[in-house]
Amino acid sequence: EAGVVQSPRYKIIEKKQPVAFWCNPISGHNTLYWYRQNLGQGPELLIRYENEEAVDDSQLPKDRFSAERLKGVDSTLKIQPAELGDSAVYLCASSLDRSGNQETQYFGPGTRLLVL
Amino acid sequence: KQEVTQIPAALSVPEGENLVLNCSFTDSAIYNLQWFRQDPGKGLTSLLLIQSSQREQTSGRLNASLDKSSGRSTLYIAASQPGDSATYLCAVETSGSRLTFGEGTQLTVNP
Repeated sequence: EAGVVQSPRYKIIEKKQPVAFWCNPISGHNTLYWYRQNLGQGPELLIRYENEEAVDDSQLPKDRFSAERLKGVDSTLKIQPAELGDSAVYLCASSLDRSGNQETQYFGPGTRLLVL
Repeated sequence: KQEVTQIPAALSVPEGENLVLNCSFTDSAIYNLQWFRQDPGKGLTSLLLIQSSQREQTSGRLNASLDKSSGRSTLYIAASQPGDSATYLCAVETSGSRLTFGEGTQLTVNP
């Protein structure tokens, strides 16, 4: 079974340019997460989707970041315009749903963004 | 606000040694605690998940313990191997299905 797929794997852009990341979760997983991981730190949640609905976007910088999950499957995360401080690894994760007590999140390989 | 701290930040051991990684968290109102492994340039792989009502979980050479009241968890790795070299991250799940991660311990196992 394929895991969480992300593209691109690497992206280098100049500041003030837009950038978009794509994520395809594990088939059947209703919950999708976007995290940002700065160098030497743990991931921090940006947004969580339950199907098509963004149920936790409190840590998403809404002035420049946006996300969507059309049809409750694939998701895109966009930054416009990008700033130097946005350089990080952007991780996507998915999990089945919240009906059970255990909720393992499966992570993709991430997109490494460098803003020059 | 939940804060998760991992000690040490980096650890280098010879092959075959047993080792312990430490994790502490400030708010004991957690649903579960997870240990992840992250290899360079890759995503995270879940190793063990301990529910808040549990004390420990074991998988192969790995054993994780949880003391919720004191806000501590340990990950014990027995008979370490070079393939265990990676960054190990601890994360706690709180209300709203939010995972709060520590900064990780970078482990190097030398042949």
